[in-house]
Amino acid sequence: RKEVEQDPGPFNVPEGATVAFNCTYSNSASQSFFWYRQDCRKEPKLLMSVYSSGNEDGRFTAQLNRASQYISLLIRDSKLSDSATYLCVVNSGGSYIPTFGRGTSLIVHP
Amino acid sequence: DTGVSQDPRHKITKRGQNVTFRCDPISEHNRLYWYRQTLGQGPEFLTYFQNEAQLEKSRLLSDRFSAERPKGSFSTLEIQRTEQGDSAMYLCASSLQASGIGELFFGEGSRLTVL
Repeated sequence: RKEVEQDPGPFNVPEGATVAFNCTYSNSASQSFFWYRQDCRKEPKLLMSVYSSGNEDGRFTAQLNRASQYISLLIRDSKLSDSATYLCVVNSGGSYIPTFGRGTSLIVHP
Repeated sequence: DTGVSQDPRHKITKRGQNVTFRCDPISEHNRLYWYRQTLGQGPEFLTYFQNEAQLEKSRLLSDRFSAERPKGSFSTLEIQRTEQGDSAMYLCASSLQASGIGELFFGEGSRLTVL
């Protein structure tokens, strides 16, 4: 089983839709969680950190479920510019190694 | 530009040749990470440094891969006797963090093609 698993998609949604991605992690000792965004042929960039209490940044909401070992990302009112790959990142156990999932591709169409 | 820079951006080489990639992190960042990314996959961790100390190298893909960060500033990743399977994007990232994991700032990557 991979340390961090994501559904690769693609998720194909119309503008204005709400879409949610999940990411599961295998190591219960993991303590740091993030979502990164990667545009085609570009480097990954931090979208948001994921806190135990959940957090929201505009149209984006991230949540952590430690009991079931997954994190989620909810995007409301999707824009064309949200089209990208969303990468889940978890520290590897108690280490300082950020481990990436394979990413979930989102395509927002008019 | 004060971001992470990588050089070269593109490298085409013949199988069996050695290649070296350089990464210049954001100047005050203490951690430097190397990742490899292939099409349709997320970045795969290779190794990382805290200042000049290489704290994890067991995930380097084979003994043909090595990395250095001699003075705690720039880093190099060398691949000896390249194979076609080494073709990938090699990404460098840096962060400033005393403990835990902070935001990673990535360079634009070095794309390797092995013929």
